[in-house]
Amino acid sequence: EIVLTQSPGTLSLSPGERATLSCRTSQSIETWSFGWYQQKRGQAPRLLIHGTSHRATGIPDRFGGGGSGTDFTLTISRLEPEDFAVYYCQQYGNSPWTFGQGTKIEI
Amino acid sequence: EVQLVESGGGLVKPGGSLRLSCVVSGFSFNSAWAGWVRQAPGKGLEWIGRIRSRAEGEATEYAAPVKGRLSISRDDSRNTLYLQMDSLTTEDTAVYYCGTGINTFDFWGQGTLVTVSP
Repeated sequence: EIVLTQSPGTLSLSPGERATLSCRTSQSIETWSFGWYQQKRGQAPRLLIHGTSHRATGIPDRFGGGGSGTDFTLTISRLEPEDFAVYYCQQYGNSPWTFGQGTKIEI
Repeated sequence: EVQLVESGGGLVKPGGSLRLSCVVSGFSFNSAWAGWVRQAPGKGLEWIGRIRSRAEGEATEYAAPVKGRLSISRDDSRNTLYLQMDSLTTEDTAVYYCGTGINTFDFWGQGTLVTVSP
């Protein structure tokens, strides 16, 4: 099983600031098989990024993804009030699919 | 608009069984894989498993903690995904989400709560 480790656990930022979230995988994975989700309290997760860097439909361009091998990042260029949430990374190229433990962005 | 609507959650005693359903609309369900993810109270996301399309033999894959107790099936004529849960324990208490998509979990249901308690 591929283990995903996210850092930091919590990010304390203000609207307008830049957020950088990291996710490290326990073994190298293909870039097509990596994604990021956003989850707000009481809601289902929402796909933000698939294939490491491709924004899902309707996702604003302030969200960007990158990385390769075992190290991946999600960047939010300028935080909007609605971006304060929990973010999860996921790999879906190897079974079982696995998620990171989450990074919370708080004000 | 793609919609996934889960049902079947509720309170069940340890050792009991439950079957969850997920009706998919606005998407080519019969040609896509579909799966389930759960989230225990206050915890992160846990992938349960998925089922491939009929064209791919409806092959299933499961996470180790649920293998042998939870099983996924589908009825393409009803655009419905199922999760049969047997031998439930308190550790299975969670919100259960169904999902499908082209890339990964592009689309999600709203979730249904399963509580396993004496």
